[in-house]
Amino acid sequence: EDQVTQSPEALRLQEGESSSLNCSYTVSGLRGLFWYRQDPGKGPEFLFTLYSAGEEKEKERLKATLTKKESFLHITAPKPEDSATYLCAVQARGGSRTGNQFYFGTGTSLTVIP
Amino acid sequence: DTEVTQTPKHLVMGMTNKKSLKCEQHMGHRAMYWYKQKAKKPPELMFVYSYEKLSINESVPSRFSPECPNSSLLNLHLHALQPEDSALYLCASSQDRGRGSSGNTIYFGEGSWLTVV
Repeated sequence: EDQVTQSPEALRLQEGESSSLNCSYTVSGLRGLFWYRQDPGKGPEFLFTLYSAGEEKEKERLKATLTKKESFLHITAPKPEDSATYLCAVQARGGSRTGNQFYFGTGTSLTVIP
Repeated sequence: DTEVTQTPKHLVMGMTNKKSLKCEQHMGHRAMYWYKQKAKKPPELMFVYSYEKLSINESVPSRFSPECPNSSLLNLHLHALQPEDSALYLCASSQDRGRGSSGNTIYFGEGSWLTVV
């Protein structure tokens, strides 16, 4: 069964304290892995798409990496404004006719303390 | 700023009311989605439209009725809802390249907060 697991569930960091969020997946044929940031009461904001193992993408203090079993979202020297819930989603080959079905993880709630 | 626009941002309705949520995108995407999200939970897929045809209905109760008037618009008609239907309703869109292609990034709107009283 296709599954996406994120850890930790919650993470508190001091400002400037770098860390990583994990997204483990078991899907039958990965078509894409997606990272989103979600602020309270708002829709998820797209961050990165990764397609194949070994791929890396960066944006400001965030860097996403992908292996055959998991993805990491590395946060370097975080600031309080990075506080949010980070969601991981995967798209698998076993999806619908259009291939548009996503599986979301339960998210990591990040709090960065000044 | 998201290019998927949802209205209204907040909606309070009684259990006997009929209301609609509206969504619009101008990115030329041919797949549009409705998701429901409860507090501290990930989004749950409700419906997918592909090329203006309903392609996925995740066993959603009939009190939720989607409509896709054209490739840019998506509506969710609400009737006789229950208090447990109170949630954030998210519209999203993506390109639709079919099963053989690489993944399609989904872009979300800001959501419509629905409270059923």
